[in-house]
Amino acid sequence: GNSVTQMEGPVTLSEEAFLTINCTYTATGYPSLFWYVQYPGEGLQLLLKATKADDKGSNKGFEATYRKETTSFHLEKGSVQVSDSAVYFCALRGAAGNKLTFGGGTRVLVKP
Amino acid sequence: ETGVTQSPTHLIKTRGQQVTLRCSSQSGHNTVSWYQQALGQGPQFIFQYYREEENGRGNFPPRFSGLQFPNYSSELNVNALELDDSALYLCASSLGGGISGADTQYFGPGTRLTVL
Repeated sequence: GNSVTQMEGPVTLSEEAFLTINCTYTATGYPSLFWYVQYPGEGLQLLLKATKADDKGSNKGFEATYRKETTSFHLEKGSVQVSDSAVYFCALRGAAGNKLTFGGGTRVLVKP
Repeated sequence: ETGVTQSPTHLIKTRGQQVTLRCSSQSGHNTVSWYQQALGQGPQFIFQYYREEENGRGNFPPRFSGLQFPNYSSELNVNALELDDSALYLCASSLGGGISGADTQYFGPGTRLTVL
């Protein structure tokens, strides 16, 4: 079946540091890939997505590129802010599927 | 355009009781998916409803059931509650579903269920 593996947190950074969160997946065919963010006490917000190989999703300074050859969708941001402190989830939706399969989440803490 | 809303925000029940959680989908969306998120974990897919029919189910027992109404709002019902049912229950709405799969899913704020 489909699965998503994310790097474990917490990841602690200083403001303006570079952030990378690794995400790899296992799926048949060509899944769609997503990053969601969850702030404390809230639901999930879609951060970005990519639906085919080599697509780059971007939003709010975050980027991730769909790499089929390495089955990866790593999230990056060049300069983090305290307000980026949250839990980040990588997810996939199978090519013919309807459900999202999530990774375990990575907690990011940005200190001033 | 209103987003996905869920009610109630928090709920406390005891073992063996039954609970109903509610979700209103985003305007124009006809598909609702439900997820269970245990503390410190990623969400797990429970089931999806598309045009009032169940359209896929995850690895959850039959005591987890649902409904979708003509206005595309949805309910999640859980019977015979167990301690392990304590979790955040998330609803997501999207446009699409059926054979081709659902479009991007947008989540509500969730209902925090505590079973004592």
